[in-house]
Amino acid sequence: DIQMTQSPSSLSASVGDRVTITCRASQSINSYLNWYQQKPGKAPKLLIYAASSLQSGVPSRFSGSGSGTDFTLTITSLQPEDFATYYCQQSYSIPPLTFGGGTKVEIK
Amino acid sequence: QVQLQESGPGLVKPSETLSLTCTVSGGSISTYYWSWIRQSPGKGLEWIGHIYNTGSANHNPSLKSRVTISIDTSKNQFSLKLRSVTAADTAVYYCARSGGSYTRNQLRMGGMGVWGQGTTVIVSS
Repeated sequence: DIQMTQSPSSLSASVGDRVTITCRASQSINSYLNWYQQKPGKAPKLLIYAASSLQSGVPSRFSGSGSGTDFTLTITSLQPEDFATYYCQQSYSIPPLTFGGGTKVEIK
Repeated sequence: QVQLQESGPGLVKPSETLSLTCTVSGGSISTYYWSWIRQSPGKGLEWIGHIYNTGSANHNPSLKSRVTISIDTSKNQFSLKLRSVTAADTAVYYCARSGGSYTRNQLRMGGMGVWGQGTTVIVSS
């Protein structure tokens, strides 16, 4: 199985801040990396697919980068609705598809 | 707009079989890959498995011996059966849709762009 490691596991930030979340795969996954946002009691929402492609309808303040084993999700100018938990997921090697442990973005 | 809706019992007894169905509306089930994912209380996301319209399925090896995923294209539904459940199977269960394609004979998946709202299943006597 490919292990996905996210860091940090949580962070505190203020509205307007730039936030960066990293995700590392235990082996190369090319660009088969997806990012999701999950709010309490809700299903995850796809933000970024193929490492850097913005899902339709997702604000442009979200961006993704990386390839191989190291990936980054960046939120420029954090908005109140962005406080949530973010997950990365590899879709290169199946089975199984695997998720990172999540990064909770909290209000400072 | 495609929508997914999970349905099934919210309470299952230990050692019994958990059965859930995901109904696809607003689009055909005859393309894409259809997944089941679960999330234990306060925990992260675990992929259970997926199925294609041909009936070809993949499962998480950690659950494989207990999992059956099936599809009924005539009803636009796919289903999950998880046998011999324990308290550790208590979770919110989601269904989701993703694309996929073969590259050099290896299946590569896209992101899961459509999700159901999730259904809570508690395993308890």
